[in-house]
Amino acid sequence: GQGVEQPAKLMSVEGTFARVNCTYSTSGFNGLSWYQQREGQAPVFLSYVVLDGLKDSGHFSTFLSRSNGYSYLLLTELQIKDSASYLCAVRDLGSGYNKLTFGKGTVLLVSP
Amino acid sequence: EAGVTQSPRYAVLQEGQAVSFWCDPISGHDTLYWYQQPRDQGPQLLVYFRDEAVIDNSQLPSDRFSAVRPKGTNSTLKIQSAKQGDTATYLCASSPGVGNTLYFGEGSRLIVV
Repeated sequence: GQGVEQPAKLMSVEGTFARVNCTYSTSGFNGLSWYQQREGQAPVFLSYVVLDGLKDSGHFSTFLSRSNGYSYLLLTELQIKDSASYLCAVRDLGSGYNKLTFGKGTVLLVSP
Repeated sequence: EAGVTQSPRYAVLQEGQAVSFWCDPISGHDTLYWYQQPRDQGPQLLVYFRDEAVIDNSQLPSDRFSAVRPKGTNSTLKIQSAKQGDTATYLCASSPGVGNTLYFGEGSRLIVV
């Protein structure tokens, strides 16, 4: 079936890194986005990828493997304020409407 | 530049009551989306518009939910006869075209008791 899967929770330590995984299945992949959502706030766009490989955007990097239906968001030099939910969203042409489907999100907790 | 504005921020209803949520997208964004986000879940698309036209409303519970965008700018999402299962945050987002970046409002949090 079609869907977007993410682990529910992830814990890491300030100053280190965290990798948030996302697996998906679509009938017409047309790009994958990552959003950050803090408690009680709106999702905020972080990154968009459509080609395989690693896209380095400094504090955030994004990897995509279309053949494996897999992406990750890598956060380096973690800060306490990086604690948030990270949403993976896949654009699927197969639905006929170029629909954006979100995963349930991964809650990242960064501890001192 | 003003972001996406939504109101009200909070609503508490008893089952069977109705509520309307209003959204003002970013100026110039022709595509507007309504998402439902239950607690601890990701946003789920209800409906989206390009200008005043509905592009996809396949996930909108049509018996109790309705959405309009009459002039291709502001939009209203209405829930009639609310149920406890409608408890969620209703997010409005806009984009220029069917863009890769969605700009979200702060959301309208609904609690149905």
